[in-house]
Order: sequence, then C-alpha cells, then structure tokens
Amino acid sequence: IQMTQSPSSLSASVGDRVTITCRASQSISTYLNWYQHRPGKAPKVLIYAASSLRSGVPSRFSGSGSGTDFTLTISSLQPEDFATYYCQQSYIAPWTFGQGTQVEIK
Amino acid sequence: EVQLLESGGGLVQPGGSLRLSCAATGFTFSSSAMSWVRQAPGKGLEWVSTIGGSGASTYYADSVKGRFTISRDNSKNTLFLQMNSLRVEDTAVYYCAKAFSSSHWFWDYWGQGTLVTVSS
Repeated sequence: IQMTQSPSSLSASVGDRVTITCRASQSISTYLNWYQHRPGKAPKVLIYAASSLRSGVPSRFSGSGSGTDFTLTISSLQPEDFATYYCQQSYIAPWTFGQGTQVEIK
Repeated sequence: EVQLLESGGGLVQPGGSLRLSCAATGFTFSSSAMSWVRQAPGKGLEWVSTIGGSGASTYYADSVKGRFTISRDNSKNTLFLQMNSLRVEDTAVYYCAKAFSSSHWFWDYWGQGTLVTVSS
C-alpha cells in the first residue's frame, strides 16, 4: 500500500493552524498512525487509529479520516512542533510510511 | 520507564555483515512485538522487519528479505538484526521500536538509533 503525503514541506508561524494530508493507495479503514520526528531524536507517535490521541500528546494535535484520505491538524503551532511528520498504515504488511512533511519556521 | 538502546552500527564494506542489538527495559519484553525501522540520509522512514513476542513470527520488507534476519532473546530482553550481503543503499540510521497492540497497533516507543554506513 502506497502512502502519499501533502505537502512535502510547509513554512508556518507560531500560532498558525497547520493541516497535513495523507492518502492511501487502497482503503485502510482507520488503520493509520501519525508520527513526529525531530532531527537526532526518536520518532514519536501522536495519533493512532486515525483519530485517537496518544496519551501525553498535546490536544492541539488531532487526526481524522477513514478509507483512503486522512488529515493531521495542529490547531496552534508551537515552537517544539517544528519537525517532520509521517503517516503510516498499520492495515497490512509491508507497513508503509508516507514520504514525510517537513514543518519549518516561517 | 521504557528504554530501547540500539548498538552494533558502524562502517562496513559492501557485501559485508553487521549485527545490530537493541536492549530493552521497562516493559514485559516477551509480550511485545518488536520492529526495526530505518532512515537513509535525507530520506523518510522505512519499515525493515518485525518479530512477534515469542519469536515465532517474522516479517520483512522486500528490500531486505533473504539478507536480513530478525531475532530476539527474551531471557535477555534483547532484539537483534543480522544484516548480511550489505549494500550501499542499506546505509541508514536503524531504529528499534516496540509495538503496542490492541484493536489497532502502532509503535509506541523507539530507540535513539544506530548508524550503519555501507561504503568501500
């Protein structure tokens, strides 16, 4: 299953609302996870099962979607949110990631 | 506190071998599926391999099938990745990751990664 994210990168300011989309090449129901990856750090799960917020993750992060189209939203971008974000399907092996969306400071 | 600590990375020539280890603490290791995920320089995340909690089930990406072998020692809470016939394109930071499984699954804890460089 191919996962396609858009955009590949974006520039935003602190306080902005940011939306990242992810499209699967076939239906994956809600078997979709979102990860945040900062340089030199371990990746961190933010959202699982398309819309469930991982314990300890700030509520400004939210996920939606089912089937083939999914969205990650950051309601008010914070300095620590500048990172690369990946969607990942957990529907069937081989488990695949989107190519990533790099969120940069404007 | 869950901790995953990878080791064993380094520089190896094409065609060579390397064995990665991941020492796990802070959870019931034998109850958790474990995976290796890699990131090549300037590229995104790529799943490599997964092993079930008992070690009986293993899964591989097509890019490493037949060359890499995942295994685990539940008595020592350690995950391994034996990498043979290494290629330049295997150069990457390799992360071990713990799977959380319920009705859905995801990788809930990751190590800091170990760098593997395949070059002559």
